[in-house]
Amino acid sequence: KNEVEQSPQNLTAQEGEFITINCSYSVGISALHWLQQHPGGGIVSLFMLSSGKKKHGRLIATINIQEKHSSLHITASHPRDSAVYICAADSNTGNQFYFGTGTSLTVIP
Amino acid sequence: DAGITQSPRHKVTETGTPVTLRCHQTENHRYMYWYRQDPGHGLRLIHYSYGVKDTDKGEVSDGYSVSRSKTEDFLLTLESATSSQTSVYFCATRGQKHNSPLHFGNGTRLTVT
Repeated sequence: KNEVEQSPQNLTAQEGEFITINCSYSVGISALHWLQQHPGGGIVSLFMLSSGKKKHGRLIATINIQEKHSSLHITASHPRDSAVYICAADSNTGNQFYFGTGTSLTVIP
Repeated sequence: DAGITQSPRHKVTETGTPVTLRCHQTENHRYMYWYRQDPGHGLRLIHYSYGVKDTDKGEVSDGYSVSRSKTEDFLLTLESATSSQTSVYFCATRGQKHNSPLHFGNGTRLTVT
């Protein structure tokens, strides 16, 4: 059973395109995290949100608590955005996280 | 990130040998986690710690043990490594404040031959 589902699994875009990655979860959460992992690299936290919307540069994260759904948007995508994006549900039943399997994004120049 | 250092970064070992991976943090974070990352799976929790000498099992704890004798160090031990434990291992930490973000180390790539 997957508590967190991401879509799509793989995504290829042309430089400049608007990108959306989706995350649905089935558990109760206190927060939803978006993480970024570059090839061969470590994992970096992009956003942590419990309601509404957050923006950082060209990245925007939104969450709909009622629908148990979050999206990560990248505006004006660039090849350096190529990475795996991981959604993680911060469970409200304890200090535990549920991770999606990630969305592999490739941005072509 | 957040002063988390994993060592070693890479290791190749033989089946049946013991292996210890180390996670060291300089942020005085209360919570520490060990995850493994495998193709087709999300990050899976091996063990976690909520304070010195306080640890608990995660979903894939079989074959692994941990110790936390100091706030800054969280050790993961494979008592007798098996090929199924070939993976990339990540340590993560978070502070005590509610809804603190997760911080990850750079990972340890372990190959068991």
